[in-house]
Amino acid sequence: DQQVKQNSPSLSVQEGRISILNCDYTNSMFDYFLWYKKYPAEGPTFLISISSIKDKNEDGRFTVFLNKSAKHLSLHIVPSQPGDSAVYFCANKRATSYDKVIFGPGTSLSVIP
Amino acid sequence: DAGVIQSPRHEVTEMGQEVTLRCKPISGHDYLFWYRQTMMRGLELLIYFNNNVPIDDSGMPEDRFSAKMPNASFSTLKIQPSEPRDSAVYFCASSLRDPRTNQPQHFGDGTRLSIL
Repeated sequence: DQQVKQNSPSLSVQEGRISILNCDYTNSMFDYFLWYKKYPAEGPTFLISISSIKDKNEDGRFTVFLNKSAKHLSLHIVPSQPGDSAVYFCANKRATSYDKVIFGPGTSLSVIP
Repeated sequence: DAGVIQSPRHEVTEMGQEVTLRCKPISGHDYLFWYRQTMMRGLELLIYFNNNVPIDDSGMPEDRFSAKMPNASFSTLKIQPSEPRDSAVYFCASSLRDPRTNQPQHFGDGTRLSIL
């Protein structure tokens, strides 16, 4: 029973263009959403987050959008750079289960120079 | 700042042997998590501790797996006896509970375990 889904296992984007990574969740009780980035042979690192009371959060080239009614969030990277090539994990959690985070399966992004 | 430190980085051992993975969390963090990453199941939470006490071990696959946190700066994940299907990358992560903000988890670089 996958509570967090990332239906695209991989994505290729040209340098300078926009990358859009998608995530769907099933549990309406999730109230905090995070994106992690992972390079090969390293652990995931936190990228950006959004709470359920917002629909958008921006940090430089990275923007996360949340559509609660659709139980969908997306990560936009613009402009995409070759150094953004990594696996991106969507992760969700509930405030009542403070630190138990549920991760999606990940999307591998390749930014082509 | 030292991050989460895991050892060993790689472990290759034969089926049936005992395997011990080690983790040193970031100083001051009061939550510690053990995850397993496989191609089939992605990143799975195995167990997590708060203030050295196991809170949720529902992700531990079977009795062959055990985890301990004897003090705030050290945790182990043990597999005994090991089986080939335990081959995976095991991550340790830690976080700090702050009621004012949602603090993200900080991950170590993982232990790549291969059971032959």
